[in-house]
Amino acid sequence: AQTVTQSQPEMSVQEAETVTLSCTYDTSENNYYLFWYKQPPSRQMILVIRQEAYKQQNATENRFSVNFQKAAKSFSLKISDSQLGDTAMYFCAFMKNDDKIIFGKGTRLHILP
Amino acid sequence: NAGVTQTPKFQVLKTGQSMTLQCAQDMNHEYMSWYRQDPGMGLRLIHYSVGAGITDQGEVPNGYNVSRSTTEDFPLRLLSAAPSQTSVYFCASSRTGGSAFFGQGTRLTVV
Repeated sequence: AQTVTQSQPEMSVQEAETVTLSCTYDTSENNYYLFWYKQPPSRQMILVIRQEAYKQQNATENRFSVNFQKAAKSFSLKISDSQLGDTAMYFCAFMKNDDKIIFGKGTRLHILP
Repeated sequence: NAGVTQTPKFQVLKTGQSMTLQCAQDMNHEYMSWYRQDPGMGLRLIHYSVGAGITDQGEVPNGYNVSRSTTEDFPLRLLSAAPSQTSVYFCASSRTGGSAFFGQGTRLTVV
């Protein structure tokens, strides 16, 4: 069974700094997808970034980028120039083809003014 | 474009009562899922469906029933609510290889 582990329950950084959230996963599959979701206090689940396992190039979305290490089964999220609006719970998630999405337990990120 | 519509947003039940959480999507997605979110536990999969007429259990299915009679709708039923089912519930839909779109969530309290 696939598992997703987020080893940092909570983190705090100063505004404008760069922060990296860790995620590791366990699978025997070769083709799959990885995601980072953001959940602000509004409770809404918002897709931050998506990575396809067969693509070696790391995905980027503006200030958000990932470091995808397939052999190490690692999928970290880097937030550059962090903003107060980045304060949220962040979930790492895994999905293989034609299957359900499995989530980690989340990292609560605080951006301090 | 409505996306995923989940109702109600809040609900209080007494132990033993039944209710149905509604979920509808207008994106013609094959996959639909129900998750519950509890503090420190992340999102745990309750039930999911890969298409109309097909459902399967997730990680925490006990106490919940689902059906998928149409592509658009995927209701979650609590037949006899228990305090352990107090949680925030999310419905999600996706297509093969795609990211999931979520409803706004339902905060359910069972007293």
